[in-house]
Amino acid sequence: LAKTTQPISMDSYEGQEVNITCSHNNIATNDYITWYQQFPSQGPRFIIQGYKTKVTNEVASLFIPADRKSSTLSLPRVSLSDTAVYYCLVGSSSGSARQLTFGSGTQLTVLP
Amino acid sequence: GAVVSQHPSRVICKSGTSVKIECRSLDFQATTMFWYRQFPKQSLMLMATSNEGSKATYEQGVEKDKFLINHASLTLSTLTVTSAHPEDSSFYICSAMEFTVANYGYTFGSGTRLTVV
Repeated sequence: LAKTTQPISMDSYEGQEVNITCSHNNIATNDYITWYQQFPSQGPRFIIQGYKTKVTNEVASLFIPADRKSSTLSLPRVSLSDTAVYYCLVGSSSGSARQLTFGSGTQLTVLP
Repeated sequence: GAVVSQHPSRVICKSGTSVKIECRSLDFQATTMFWYRQFPKQSLMLMATSNEGSKATYEQGVEKDKFLINHASLTLSTLTVTSAHPEDSSFYICSAMEFTVANYGYTFGSGTRLTVV
């Protein structure tokens, strides 16, 4: 499974756009990139997934350059409730051995 | 969307006793479930992979005799912490695969806060 590196923490203010970048230099050809959000004392929640270029849903955008060695989660106009830990994961299905290996995550703190 | 129900949400037990945590997939079948442990301010750490109808696969360093996993049906996996000690106090989270969420569709339970006193 590809190792991921993210900033440990980030601060932002309400209403700003937040971009969290994750590097995954050893990403494999069939790997997908998935981002999860975790609030204290809760399980992680799926945010967005992509393979290449750009993916957008109702809560976030995911930008993946052509070499796929990094990805950027973009949260538009954050609010205080977006304060959470964000995890970037890289992996794919490989027979029956499907696992997620969590890196350190990024603690995003949104300030008023 | 897919829901994984985990119970109890928090439990306090005495040292030396056993605690069972349940993880249920609602409205979908999960042949494989995963159990994680998370200590304060740390990331999730995979403990074991639970396979329906067969033995669980444990990660290195996880005592299989202490953390008993049973996956007797396609919708239920249980984790039993046997002879719990204060160092077993942690946040335990289960997850299951469900492919309507995304290609890599993992849904997580809400977690169980275990405190051993």
